[in-house]
Amino acid sequence: AQKITQTQPGMFVQEKEAVTLDCTYDTSDPSYGLFWYKQPSSGEMIFLIYQGSYDQQNATEGRYSLNFQKARKSANLVISASQLGDSAMYFCAMREGMDSSYKLIFGSGTRLLVRP
Amino acid sequence: DGGITQSPKYLFRKEGQNVTLSCEQNLNHDAMYWYRQDPGQGLRLIYYSQIVNDFQKGDIAEGYSVSREKKESFPLTVTSAQKNPTAFYLCASTPLAGGSTDTQYFGPGTRLTVL
Repeated sequence: AQKITQTQPGMFVQEKEAVTLDCTYDTSDPSYGLFWYKQPSSGEMIFLIYQGSYDQQNATEGRYSLNFQKARKSANLVISASQLGDSAMYFCAMREGMDSSYKLIFGSGTRLLVRP
Repeated sequence: DGGITQSPKYLFRKEGQNVTLSCEQNLNHDAMYWYRQDPGQGLRLIYYSQIVNDFQKGDIAEGYSVSREKKESFPLTVTSAQKNPTAFYLCASTPLAGGSTDTQYFGPGTRLTVL
């Protein structure tokens, strides 16, 4: 079974509007971390935001926020006030806490296109 | 500037040849990782190392080899045994400081094409 699922292969959003990218995860480990990365066409992976399983509040970093719903095992990324430079692939990833290797498990990604 | 460098950016190889991809970091990070990315897909873990002179196989280690002789360096060799090596290869590192927020930081990647 897939541990990280991103069901939206592609998304469009109008510039200056908000967009939500979906991510669901599967783990039996009570301690885990969830990450979002952005991959522009250049290929580098840029870390955006982190949410720990025990964090009481949803994580925010500038225009990025993470809508963490633990019971539903979802960790959706919200980008507010979209910009043309936000066009990229976005990956959700999970690290399971009991695994001391700090390995990340990645979803298949969502391609976001921001329209002017 | 601190960061992770990968070289070369583009690499072409003939079938049957081994090739080594370089990954260097000056972040003083303990752990390093190699991932493979195929078009339109997520990243899959090839090998990782948490300490010098020690490394473990990831999910798709067959046809690859690594070494970790120095903390800063984690080269990946794609051997002729790898049946479909054309892909984008990403190297990452993380400090293993014990904090739950330890994040993996990535290099710019190497695009390998087998001719």
